[in-house]
Amino acid sequence: DAGVTQSPTHLIKTRGQQVTLRCSPKSGHDTVSWYQQALGQGPQFIFQYYEEEERQRGNFPDRFSGHQFPNYSSELNVNALLLGDSALYLCASSPSPGGTQHFGDGTRLSIL
Amino acid sequence: AQSVTQLGSHVSVSEGALVLLRCNYSSSVPPYLFWYVQYPNQGLQLLLKYTSAATLVKGINGFEAEFKKSETSFHLTKPSAHMSDAAEYFCAVSDRKAGSYQLTFGKGTKLSVIP
Repeated sequence: DAGVTQSPTHLIKTRGQQVTLRCSPKSGHDTVSWYQQALGQGPQFIFQYYEEEERQRGNFPDRFSGHQFPNYSSELNVNALLLGDSALYLCASSPSPGGTQHFGDGTRLSIL
Repeated sequence: AQSVTQLGSHVSVSEGALVLLRCNYSSSVPPYLFWYVQYPNQGLQLLLKYTSAATLVKGINGFEAEFKKSETSFHLTKPSAHMSDAAEYFCAVSDRKAGSYQLTFGKGTKLSVIP
């Protein structure tokens, strides 16, 4: 039974570029949440998707956007990248919006 | 707003010694509480969760945590540390107000186990 899978594992971009990160939820899960984990910090909630809609959003600017597909997979898009966007981006899936969240191994994004 | 405070960014214990990682929370409603572990270059793995049933919660790998409402605490313990326990541990809270299921994490505690 595959867990939460994220791609790519590592990514290097330059300031001002745009990036798309991908997440496939665990089998049986229909809800995807995204978190940003800066170096030495705990993860911070970006947003949650359920039924292909953004249901809840954390304190992140509009440069951060997302999408959920009919097969429950999800994308995180970040525009106009800043140096401060360098972080580990974690995807978590759950069997419902209030269900226990299971995390993938993350995408390490480095901004030069 | 909910928040989590983890006391001690770095804890060192000897192999076989008691592990105690501290977590205090604030929440406007009875919370759900979680402990996750993160090994280097990996995501977060759920150790255990409190969801308003028994106040003493047993998790994987011999870990347990006790919810104490009067102290707003949810400390993680393990009677005997193993080398494989060396990792970073995160406490998280979800206050579960209607439509709000986000996890709010503490800054983490890095556990080192000395042979």
